[in-house]
This record gives sequence, C-alpha cells and structure tokens, in this order.
Amino acid sequence: DIQMTQSPSSLSASVRHRVTITCRASQSISSHLNWYQQKPGKAPKLLIYAASSLQSGVPSRFSGSGSGTDFTLTISSLQPEDFATYYCQQTYSPPHSFGQGTRLEIE
Amino acid sequence: VQLVESGGGLVKPGGSLRLSCAASGFTFSSYTMNWVRQAPGKGLEWVSSISSDSGYIFYADSAKGRFTISRDNAENSLYLQMNSLRADDTAVYYCARGFDYDLLTDYYKALDYWGQGTQVTVSS
Repeated sequence: DIQMTQSPSSLSASVRHRVTITCRASQSISSHLNWYQQKPGKAPKLLIYAASSLQSGVPSRFSGSGSGTDFTLTISSLQPEDFATYYCQQTYSPPHSFGQGTRLEIE
Repeated sequence: VQLVESGGGLVKPGGSLRLSCAASGFTFSSYTMNWVRQAPGKGLEWVSSISSDSGYIFYADSAKGRFTISRDNAENSLYLQMNSLRADDTAVYYCARGFDYDLLTDYYKALDYWGQGTQVTVSS
C-alpha cells in the first residue's frame, strides 16, 4: 500500500502571506494526487486534482505542483476563509490513501 | 448533486450496521462511489470504493472481511454493510462521488462531491 506523508502537521500564518504544504508518497504515483480542504464540522472539499489542476470554483490563489513522489500545495495570499485543515490523497492505486492532514491556523 | 448518508448510530462492539447514501442530481449509475471515514479528532481514512457497474470493488485493510460495499443503481443508492464492529470503527462516515478527469494523457480520479456524513459510534 502507498503511504502519504504531509508536512508540516500544523502551520501558523498571517492573512495575505504565502504558505506551502508538502506531501510525499512512499512510491511514485505519477500525478495522481489530489488536495482537499476541510473546515471543522464540514465535509472535505476538493481543491486540486491531478496534482496541479484547479477544481472548478476554487480561487486561483490555490495551486498545486509536483509529480512522482513529491507534491506541494501553495496558497499565494492567505484569506481568512483559508484557515482549515488540508489533506492530500493519492488515487494511483487502491487503497486511495490520504495524508495525515495539515492544520493551518491564524498567526 | 446531493449525497445524503443515513443509518449511523450507537452499536455495541461486535454488532452490525448498514449505512446508506441517497444520491440525486446526477446520473448515479455512471459514477464510481466511495466511503471515507474520520475518527474523532483524526484525519480522513479512505474505506472502500465501488465502480459504476459494481464490477470493481476495493477496501482498505481495516475494512476487508468485515465491511461490504454495494449499490443499487435503480434506487440511486450506495450502501456499506459493517459487521464485527470495533471501537476503532467509531467515526463520521462520508459517501463521496468519484470523478474521472480526462486530461488526455491519462484519467485522474478524485472525490468531487461529498455528503454531510453520518456518525457511527461503537461502544458498550
């Protein structure tokens, strides 16, 4: 099974700052990597699919990059509504495992 | 698109529960469907998926042999039969639609719509 490891586990940042979250796969997954945002008490929301493609309706300040084993999610200018927990997920082969999550908090 | 889970509740260890997910607003029979769970204060855990025609079914190791995913395309419904439940199965269970994005070079899967979740608590 493929293991997904995110870093950091938590992160503090200020509004309008740029942040980057990383996700590493235990083996190559090509570009079969998705990013989700989850706010407390809510279902996750798809942000990025295929490593770098922005889901419809997601603000352009979100971007993804990477292939193989190393991936990043970047938020170019943090907005108040971006403070949430972010998860990566590989869909290269089942089980379609998630990373452990990165909690983004207001500094 | 709407996904509405039901069937959660409190069950004793060793007991069984059947979760349902009612789908509407899209052609249910054309999509792979998934179950994802989240234990209290923990991250997301993919549980199981079933292809549109039920021909391909996959489980996480934690679900193999105890959980059974199924669907009824005529009723636009997804199910998760959970047997031999343990305390560590306590979680919110989400159903999610799987979408295949065609980027010419390959098809890429993602979970594009999620239900609101149903709480399963396993406790004596």
